[in-house]
Amino acid sequence: QLQESGPGLMKPSETLSLTCTVSGGSMTNYYWTWIRQSPGKGLEWIGYIYYSGSTKYNSSLKSRVTISVDTSKNQFSLFLTSVTAADTAIYYCARLYNGIGYFEYWGQGILVTVS
Amino acid sequence: EVVLTQSPATLSLSPGEGATLSCRASQSISNYLAWYQQKPGQAPRLLIYDTSNRATGVAARFSGSGSGTVFTLSIAYLESEDFAVYYCQQRSDWPYTFGQGTKVEIK
Repeated sequence: QLQESGPGLMKPSETLSLTCTVSGGSMTNYYWTWIRQSPGKGLEWIGYIYYSGSTKYNSSLKSRVTISVDTSKNQFSLFLTSVTAADTAIYYCARLYNGIGYFEYWGQGILVTVS
Repeated sequence: EVVLTQSPATLSLSPGEGATLSCRASQSISNYLAWYQQKPGQAPRLLIYDTSNRATGVAARFSGSGSGTVFTLSIAYLESEDFAVYYCQQRSDWPYTFGQGTKVEIK
């Protein structure tokens, strides 16, 4: 299971920080990812991190996004700087399916509003 | 960036009827396409990966086909739990992208 946590309301220019806690299994040998969904832009892949720490980001967000992992806590985190109203969305964490670019297990999502 | 265009935007059907959903890619993505189902208040659920492979636990009435730029999700007959929004997603090129969705609603 995956569970997102973090603030639900933010002000413009702040840094968004979300954590995904993984339970019921190990993070080892898997890729972990963040995806967001907004009425305006639909579903948008943000980036992923391998359990060892290597990352890949969506180029549209690359200058503002960082994903980190802490396998000792079974958690990975999303940091998004300089948020604006356009970053208002439901943020999901998920696990990649068999190491390929599909999303198998998802968290329930967390609504983040920037206002 | 690969743009995925889904059609129709909305499909109005009755339970028991079959459904055909389309996804077109702006460039060839080989067979690297998935389909997801999303119900209100829930995260998307992986149904089909690599065009035609059903994910674990997905009913056999769901099938996928296509290659290159044209893909189809078929639902042989609609059960009540199938009324939802369906998204396609490609993994051929970064960034991974999604279509805008097709809503399958009860007629």
